[in-house]
Amino acid sequence: GNSVTQMEGPVTLSEEAFLTINCTYTATGYPSLFWYVQYPGEGLQLLLKATKADDKGSNKGFEATYRKETTSFHLEKGSVQVSDSAVYFCALSEGSGNTGKLIFGQGTTLQVKP
Amino acid sequence: GAGVSQSPRYKVAKRGQDVALRCDPISGHVSLFWYQQALGQGPEFLTYFQNEAQLDKSGLPSDRFFAERPEGSVSTLKIQRTQQEDSAVYLCASSFRMNTEAFFGQGTRLTVV
Repeated sequence: GNSVTQMEGPVTLSEEAFLTINCTYTATGYPSLFWYVQYPGEGLQLLLKATKADDKGSNKGFEATYRKETTSFHLEKGSVQVSDSAVYFCALSEGSGNTGKLIFGQGTTLQVKP
Repeated sequence: GAGVSQSPRYKVAKRGQDVALRCDPISGHVSLFWYQQALGQGPEFLTYFQNEAQLDKSGLPSDRFFAERPEGSVSTLKIQRTQQEDSAVYLCASSFRMNTEAFFGQGTRLTVV
């Protein structure tokens, strides 16, 4: 079945450091890929998405590129801030015609220190 | 309201008790999803509604779990005879229609003691 694997956390960085959170997936067909973020005490929020191979999703300085050849969707940010501290979830949704049901990775906690 | 609202935010149940968790989706949203998130894990799909029709319940872990959305708006997830392994955060999400962005509520944290 379809699945998503994320790098284990927690990831601890200093402010202004470069961030990479790895995500790989297994899927049949052509899934859409997502990054969700969960800030402390808040619900899951969509951070960015990509719907086909080679698409790059970007938002709030974060970006991720849909790589079909490596089945990956790694999240990157050039310079993290303390306010980026949160749990990040990689997810996939099966291709067109699907309900939009999401399959999530286990989450990666990011802690950014001043 | 402006977002997906879930109630209660926290629920403590004694083992064997029945519980009901409520989700108020964003007004006009056709699709509604329930997910279960165990501690330290990602959310796992439970069930999906399109309007009042439950089109996918493949993720419900046992027949103790039951969900309904009788008028195509508010949804209730019911768990009968709760067990300790049911302890988790239950998330509700809604979207305008199939395959559009899903908006999540803050969840209900269920603790079974």
